[in-house]
Amino acid sequence: ENVLTQSPGTLSLSPGERAALSCRASQSVSRNDLAWYQQKPGQAPRVLIYGTSNRATGIPDRFSGSGSGTDFTLTISRLEPEDFAVYYCQQYSSPPRYTFGQGTKVEIK
Amino acid sequence: EVQLVESGGGMIQPGRSLRLSCAASGFTVDTNYMSWVRQAPGKGLEWVSVIYVDGDTHYADSVKGRFAISRDNSKNTLYLQMSSLSAKDTAVYHCAKGRPGYGDFDQWGQGTLVTVSS
Repeated sequence: ENVLTQSPGTLSLSPGERAALSCRASQSVSRNDLAWYQQKPGQAPRVLIYGTSNRATGIPDRFSGSGSGTDFTLTISRLEPEDFAVYYCQQYSSPPRYTFGQGTKVEIK
Repeated sequence: EVQLVESGGGMIQPGRSLRLSCAASGFTVDTNYMSWVRQAPGKGLEWVSVIYVDGDTHYADSVKGRFAISRDNSKNTLYLQMSSLSAKDTAVYHCAKGRPGYGDFDQWGQGTLVTVSS
């Protein structure tokens, strides 16, 4: 199983600051198969980034994804109040297995 | 507009069975790969099962042999039949639509809560 490890567990930042969230895989991940989600309390997750670096429909350009192989990053260029939430990375590998990281909570400092 | 609406959750005793449903609109379940993802209270996301366009199905090790994913094309609905439930299965269960050509889930339902308790 391809284990995803996200760091840090919690990120305490102020609005307007830049956030960099890390996702490290135990095995190499294809670029098409790495995604990032945002989840707010009581809501379903919503995809932000798919295929490592593609923004999903309606996602602001302050969100960007990068990386390759086993190291991936979600960057939020300038935090808006609505960005404080939990973020998960997710990957697909064969045989069909989908795994999620344990999540990074971005909280207001 | 794409929409996924889960139903069938509730409180159930350990060892019993339960079937969850996910009604889809705005697209057809048989032309997309579909999954169930669960989230235990206060915990992270855990993938449970997937069904592909060709009907091939796969499961997480934690539910293999106990859960079965299926779909009814005429009702445009996805199902998850769960048996031999234990407290470890307590979670909100979301159905999710897979993005063609990629490994992510581009649409999610709000989820249905399953509580396994005596």
